[in-house]
Amino acid sequence: DAGVTQSPTHLIKTRGQHVTLRCSPISGHKSVSWYQQVLGQGPQFIFQYYEKEERGRGNFPDRFSARQFPNYSSELNVNALLLGDSALYLCASSLGGLNTEAFFGQGTRLTVV
Amino acid sequence: AQSVTQPDIHITVSEGASLELRCNYSYGATPYLFWYVQSPGQGLQLLLKYFSGDTLVQGIKGFEAEFKRSQSSFNLRKPSVHWSDAAEYFCAVGAGYSSASKIIFGSGTRLSIRP
Repeated sequence: DAGVTQSPTHLIKTRGQHVTLRCSPISGHKSVSWYQQVLGQGPQFIFQYYEKEERGRGNFPDRFSARQFPNYSSELNVNALLLGDSALYLCASSLGGLNTEAFFGQGTRLTVV
Repeated sequence: AQSVTQPDIHITVSEGASLELRCNYSYGATPYLFWYVQSPGQGLQLLLKYFSGDTLVQGIKGFEAEFKRSQSSFNLRKPSVHWSDAAEYFCAVGAGYSSASKIIFGSGTRLSIRP
Protein backbone atom coordinates (compact mmCIF):
# COMPACT_ATOMS: atom_id res chain seq x y z
CA ASP A 1 0.00 0.00 0.00
CA ALA A 2 1.25 3.48 -0.84
CA GLY A 3 1.95 5.73 2.09
CA VAL A 4 1.60 9.49 2.16
CA THR A 5 3.26 10.93 -0.92
CA GLN A 6 4.53 14.47 -1.24
CA SER A 7 5.82 16.36 -4.25
CA PRO A 8 8.23 17.72 -5.08
CA THR A 9 10.88 16.29 -2.77
CA HIS A 10 13.13 19.31 -3.07
CA LEU A 11 12.84 22.75 -4.57
CA ILE A 12 14.63 26.06 -4.52
CA LYS A 13 12.78 29.36 -4.77
CA THR A 14 13.74 33.03 -4.70
CA ARG A 15 12.50 35.49 -2.10
CA GLY A 16 9.15 36.97 -3.07
CA GLN A 17 8.11 34.01 -5.20
CA HIS A 18 5.16 31.73 -4.64
CA VAL A 19 5.30 27.95 -4.05
CA THR A 20 2.78 25.11 -4.13
CA LEU A 21 3.43 21.85 -2.33
CA ARG A 22 1.32 18.77 -2.88
CA CYS A 23 0.27 15.84 -0.75
CA SER A 24 -1.61 12.62 -1.49
CA PRO A 25 -2.95 10.88 1.62
CA ILE A 26 -3.15 7.18 2.26
CA SER A 27 -6.13 5.68 0.49
CA GLY A 28 -9.22 5.98 2.69
CA HIS A 29 -7.81 8.79 4.82
CA LYS A 30 -9.95 11.91 4.82
CA SER A 31 -7.81 14.15 7.02
CA VAL A 32 -4.65 15.93 5.93
CA SER A 33 -2.43 18.10 8.11
CA TRP A 34 0.57 20.24 7.21
CA TYR A 35 3.63 20.92 9.37
CA GLN A 36 6.73 23.08 8.98
CA GLN A 37 10.00 21.79 10.38
CA VAL A 38 12.82 24.28 10.53
CA LEU A 39 16.28 22.74 10.82
CA GLY A 40 17.02 21.68 14.37
CA GLN A 41 13.46 22.07 15.62
CA GLY A 42 10.35 19.96 15.99
CA PRO A 43 7.55 20.19 13.42
CA GLN A 44 5.10 23.08 13.83
CA PHE A 45 1.42 22.65 12.96
CA ILE A 46 0.22 24.80 10.05
CA PHE A 47 -3.20 23.49 8.89
CA GLN A 48 -5.56 20.59 9.16
CA TYR A 49 -8.28 19.71 6.65
CA TYR A 50 -11.00 17.13 7.02
CA GLU A 51 -13.57 16.38 4.37
CA LYS A 52 -12.35 19.41 2.40
CA GLU A 53 -12.96 21.83 5.24
CA GLU A 54 -10.34 23.62 7.32
CA ARG A 55 -10.53 22.27 10.86
CA GLY A 56 -7.47 23.83 12.40
CA ARG A 57 -4.91 26.53 11.79
CA GLY A 58 -1.60 27.14 13.50
CA ASN A 59 0.14 30.42 14.19
CA PHE A 60 1.30 31.18 10.67
CA PRO A 61 0.81 34.36 8.59
CA ASP A 62 -1.83 34.72 5.90
CA ARG A 63 0.86 34.10 3.29
CA PHE A 64 0.25 30.43 4.06
CA SER A 65 -2.90 28.85 2.68
CA ALA A 66 -4.10 25.37 1.85
CA ARG A 67 -6.96 23.46 0.37
CA GLN A 68 -8.18 19.89 0.10
CA PHE A 69 -9.64 18.42 -3.05
CA PRO A 70 -12.56 15.97 -3.52
CA ASN A 71 -10.08 13.08 -3.74
CA TYR A 72 -8.67 14.23 -0.34
CA SER A 73 -5.31 15.28 -1.74
CA SER A 74 -4.10 18.65 -0.57
CA GLU A 75 -2.02 21.64 -1.58
CA LEU A 76 -0.10 24.03 0.63
CA ASN A 77 0.56 27.44 -0.89
CA VAL A 78 3.02 30.00 0.37
CA ASN A 79 3.11 33.50 -1.11
CA ALA A 80 5.82 36.16 -0.95
CA LEU A 81 8.46 33.72 0.21
CA LEU A 82 10.91 34.79 2.89
CA LEU A 83 14.29 33.30 3.72
CA GLY A 84 12.76 32.10 6.98
CA ASP A 85 10.31 29.91 5.09
CA SER A 86 13.17 27.55 4.26
CA ALA A 87 12.21 24.29 5.96
CA LEU A 88 11.05 20.72 5.56
CA TYR A 89 7.29 20.74 4.97
CA LEU A 90 5.58 17.60 6.17
CA CYS A 91 2.16 16.31 5.29
CA ALA A 92 0.32 13.84 7.50
CA SER A 93 -2.85 11.92 6.81
CA SER A 94 -5.24 10.12 9.14
CA LEU A 95 -8.70 8.61 9.18
CA GLY A 96 -9.84 11.66 11.11
CA GLY A 97 -11.75 10.08 13.96
CA LEU A 98 -10.91 9.63 17.61
CA ASN A 99 -8.05 7.34 18.56
CA THR A 100 -6.45 7.43 15.15
CA GLU A 101 -2.84 8.08 14.30
CA ALA A 102 -1.17 10.36 11.80
CA PHE A 103 1.05 8.97 9.08
CA PHE A 104 3.70 11.30 7.74
CA GLY A 105 5.14 11.67 4.28
CA GLN A 106 8.83 12.12 3.57
CA GLY A 107 8.42 15.86 3.23
CA THR A 108 9.31 18.58 0.78
CA ARG A 109 12.58 20.39 1.42
CA LEU A 110 12.07 24.05 0.47
CA THR A 111 15.06 26.35 0.21
CA VAL A 112 14.47 30.07 -0.27
CA VAL A 113 17.44 32.05 -1.58
CA ALA B 1 -1.48 26.34 26.28
CA GLN B 2 -0.47 22.89 25.23
CA SER B 3 3.25 22.21 25.10
CA VAL B 4 5.79 19.43 25.11
CA THR B 5 9.21 19.64 26.72
CA GLN B 6 12.12 17.39 25.93
CA PRO B 7 14.85 18.51 28.31
CA ASP B 8 17.70 16.59 26.67
CA ILE B 9 18.89 18.04 23.37
CA HIS B 10 21.50 15.35 22.71
CA ILE B 11 22.19 12.01 24.37
CA THR B 12 24.99 9.56 23.65
CA VAL B 13 24.78 5.97 24.84
CA SER B 14 26.90 2.90 24.20
CA GLU B 15 25.57 0.17 21.99
CA GLY B 16 23.85 -2.43 24.14
CA ALA B 17 23.20 0.01 26.97
CA SER B 18 19.75 0.98 28.16
CA LEU B 19 18.07 4.20 27.08
CA GLU B 20 15.56 6.61 28.57
CA LEU B 21 14.43 9.77 26.81
CA ARG B 22 12.48 12.24 28.88
CA CYS B 23 9.27 14.00 27.92
CA ASN B 24 6.95 16.28 29.87
CA TYR B 25 3.72 17.69 28.51
CA SER B 26 1.26 20.39 29.42
CA TYR B 27 -2.33 19.67 28.45
CA GLY B 28 -5.61 20.27 30.20
CA ALA B 29 -7.47 17.10 29.33
CA THR B 30 -6.48 13.46 29.05
CA PRO B 31 -3.76 13.61 26.43
CA TYR B 32 -3.12 11.65 23.32
CA LEU B 33 0.65 11.04 23.47
CA PHE B 34 3.11 9.93 20.82
CA TRP B 35 6.75 9.22 20.23
CA TYR B 36 8.09 9.64 16.70
CA VAL B 37 11.53 8.93 15.26
CA GLN B 38 13.14 10.80 12.39
CA SER B 39 16.28 9.81 10.49
CA PRO B 40 18.24 12.59 8.76
CA GLY B 41 16.28 14.17 5.92
CA GLN B 42 13.37 11.79 6.40
CA GLY B 43 9.79 11.99 7.52
CA LEU B 44 8.47 10.89 10.89
CA GLN B 45 7.80 7.31 11.90
CA LEU B 46 5.48 6.54 14.79
CA LEU B 47 7.16 4.45 17.50
CA LEU B 48 4.23 4.20 19.88
CA LYS B 49 1.13 5.97 21.10
CA TYR B 50 -0.96 6.31 24.25
CA PHE B 51 -4.66 6.98 23.99
CA SER B 52 -6.05 5.43 27.16
CA GLY B 53 -5.87 2.29 29.29
CA ASP B 54 -2.64 0.62 30.31
CA THR B 55 -0.10 3.30 31.12
CA LEU B 56 2.83 1.19 29.86
CA VAL B 57 2.70 1.01 26.10
CA GLN B 58 4.78 -1.10 23.78
CA GLY B 59 5.93 0.10 20.40
CA ILE B 60 7.97 -0.96 17.46
CA LYS B 61 11.70 -1.69 17.45
CA GLY B 62 11.65 -2.76 21.11
CA PHE B 63 10.67 0.66 22.51
CA GLU B 64 8.23 1.24 25.34
CA ALA B 65 6.91 4.32 27.13
CA GLU B 66 5.14 4.92 30.42
CA PHE B 67 2.44 7.54 30.94
CA LYS B 68 2.56 9.09 34.40
CA ARG B 69 -0.30 11.53 34.86
CA SER B 70 0.93 12.75 38.26
CA GLN B 71 4.25 13.80 36.72
CA SER B 72 2.86 14.84 33.31
CA SER B 73 5.50 12.63 31.77
CA PHE B 74 5.73 10.12 28.95
CA ASN B 75 9.31 8.84 28.94
CA LEU B 76 10.59 6.55 26.22
CA ARG B 77 12.73 3.53 27.11
CA LYS B 78 14.64 0.75 25.45
CA PRO B 79 16.55 -1.93 27.35
CA SER B 80 19.37 -2.33 24.81
CA VAL B 81 20.09 0.11 22.01
CA HIS B 82 21.44 -0.77 18.59
CA TRP B 83 23.56 1.40 16.32
CA SER B 84 20.56 1.73 14.00
CA ASP B 85 18.65 3.56 16.75
CA ALA B 86 20.74 6.69 16.16
CA ALA B 87 18.20 9.32 15.08
CA GLU B 88 16.13 12.26 16.30
CA TYR B 89 13.27 11.41 18.65
CA PHE B 90 10.21 13.57 19.11
CA CYS B 91 7.63 13.41 21.85
CA ALA B 92 4.25 14.83 20.89
CA VAL B 93 0.73 15.44 22.15
CA GLY B 94 -2.47 15.42 20.11
CA ALA B 95 -4.12 18.75 20.84
CA GLY B 96 -6.95 18.92 18.33
CA TYR B 97 -10.50 17.63 18.22
CA SER B 98 -9.17 14.17 17.40
CA SER B 99 -5.98 12.37 18.29
CA ALA B 100 -4.27 13.12 14.99
CA SER B 101 -5.76 16.45 13.97
CA LYS B 102 -3.26 18.85 15.56
CA ILE B 103 -0.07 17.39 16.94
CA ILE B 104 2.25 19.49 19.06
CA PHE B 105 5.84 18.34 19.04
CA GLY B 106 8.70 18.79 21.42
CA SER B 107 12.00 20.14 20.18
CA GLY B 108 13.48 16.67 19.90
CA THR B 109 16.32 14.65 21.39
CA ARG B 110 19.17 13.58 19.16
CA LEU B 111 20.41 10.12 20.02
CA SER B 112 23.96 9.09 19.18
CA ILE B 113 25.28 5.57 19.69
CA ARG B 114 28.82 4.93 20.86
CA PRO B 115 30.29 1.73 19.34
